[in-house]
Amino acid sequence: GDSVTQTEGLVTLTEGLPVMLNCTYQSTYSPFLFWYVQHLNEAPKLLLKSFTDNKRPEHQGFHATLHKSSSSFHLQKSSAQLSDSALYYCALSDSVGDNSKLIWGLGTSLVVNP
Amino acid sequence: NAGVIQTPRHKVTGKGQEATLWCEPISGHSAVFWYRQTIVQGLEFLTYFRNQAPIDDSGMPKERFSAQMPNQSHSTLKIQSTQPQDSAVYLCASSAGTLSGNTLYFGEGSRLIVV
Repeated sequence: GDSVTQTEGLVTLTEGLPVMLNCTYQSTYSPFLFWYVQHLNEAPKLLLKSFTDNKRPEHQGFHATLHKSSSSFHLQKSSAQLSDSALYYCALSDSVGDNSKLIWGLGTSLVVNP
Repeated sequence: NAGVIQTPRHKVTGKGQEATLWCEPISGHSAVFWYRQTIVQGLEFLTYFRNQAPIDDSGMPKERFSAQMPNQSHSTLKIQSTQPQDSAVYLCASSAGTLSGNTLYFGEGSRLIVV
């Protein structure tokens, strides 16, 4: 079945350094991929989602590229900020028909230190 | 535009008691989802409704968990005979549709602690 893997449970880095959070997936069809971010005591909210036309989505300095050849949708940012500290979830939605039950990774906690 | 509203934000209940959690989705959204969030399991899908009709409850623990959506403006998740392992944050989310690619909008969650 479909699955999403986030290999790092915790990523700790210093402000100003680049960020890369890994996300790989398995899917029978061509899925949509999402990144959701959850700050402490807040609701998860959408950060990015993949496009069908190979455009690279960007938001708040974050970007991610869907690589079908490697089944990956890694989240990247060139320079981490303290406010980026949060829990990041990668999720997959099957592109076939009506499928709203997203498949979620276990999440990666990002801690950015001064 | 108010987001998804969940009440209560925090609930402490004794083992064996009942807990009911409420969710008010974003007005006009046709799909409502319930998730359970724990550190160990991450986000676990419980159930979802489309246009108030239950569509998929495959994530619901049998016998003690139930969910309803009596009208388009609210949904409830009820846990009977609560157990310590039910302690978690229960998240409700809504979306404008159920086509693949639709964004989920989450509430801030209800933190349930069973003692």
